[in-house]
Amino acid sequence: EVQLLESGGGSVQPGESLRLSCAASGFTFSDYGMTWVRQAPGKGLEWVSTIRDNGANTHYADSVEGRFTISRDNSKNTLYLQMNSLRVEDTALYFCVKDNGPGYDWFGLWGQGTLVTVSS
Amino acid sequence: VMTQTQLSSPVTLGQPASISCRSSQSLVHSDGNTYVNWLHQRPGQPPRLLIYKISNRVSGVPDRFSASGAGTDFTLKISRVEAEDVGVYYCMQATHLPRTFGQGTKLEIK
Repeated sequence: EVQLLESGGGSVQPGESLRLSCAASGFTFSDYGMTWVRQAPGKGLEWVSTIRDNGANTHYADSVEGRFTISRDNSKNTLYLQMNSLRVEDTALYFCVKDNGPGYDWFGLWGQGTLVTVSS
Repeated sequence: VMTQTQLSSPVTLGQPASISCRSSQSLVHSDGNTYVNWLHQRPGQPPRLLIYKISNRVSGVPDRFSASGAGTDFTLKISRVEAEDVGVYYCMQATHLPRTFGQGTKLEIK
């Protein structure tokens, strides 16, 4: 089955860290760029970070630059997001998304999301 | 920046609906394609891709959904709204990094 399954979310205090994971299956993971998108409660979609298919290039939203690190392990078909120095405004549902690659239905596969809550 | 229009009021079942999306920059990729997508999100669900590359329906999307546009202006149309179409619609662009999303347009049924 073609799917993305996120894990690692939780409730933390400001300044703490979390590491999100996204396990991919059903497609050739190493052929695709991958992206994290987040959605704060009751709000719209916000792009967070993208990594190239081979992991050589990474890009970040200004709001997370220097605090978050995206990475991937193509041997394990897994995407990661290391989140440090978390802030209250990072509270959101974090989605893992299949981005650019073979075919043109980029953003056609989303995980169910993992919830990150940052609160004192 | 992607700016979407809002629907003025709940839409009557069976009536058409149209959502516009305008980009602050050209969305034509260096490969000649324009990577503008439309997504639909129901409450409690992840977004679902409806349309990719301006006007291409994803397999399984009803043909009452159509989309068009070029350059910086894009439109999603629903020819006859059905109850299952409720939710929030987002335009987005995957031509450039950062990827950007419209603010969302909520479709409610009257």
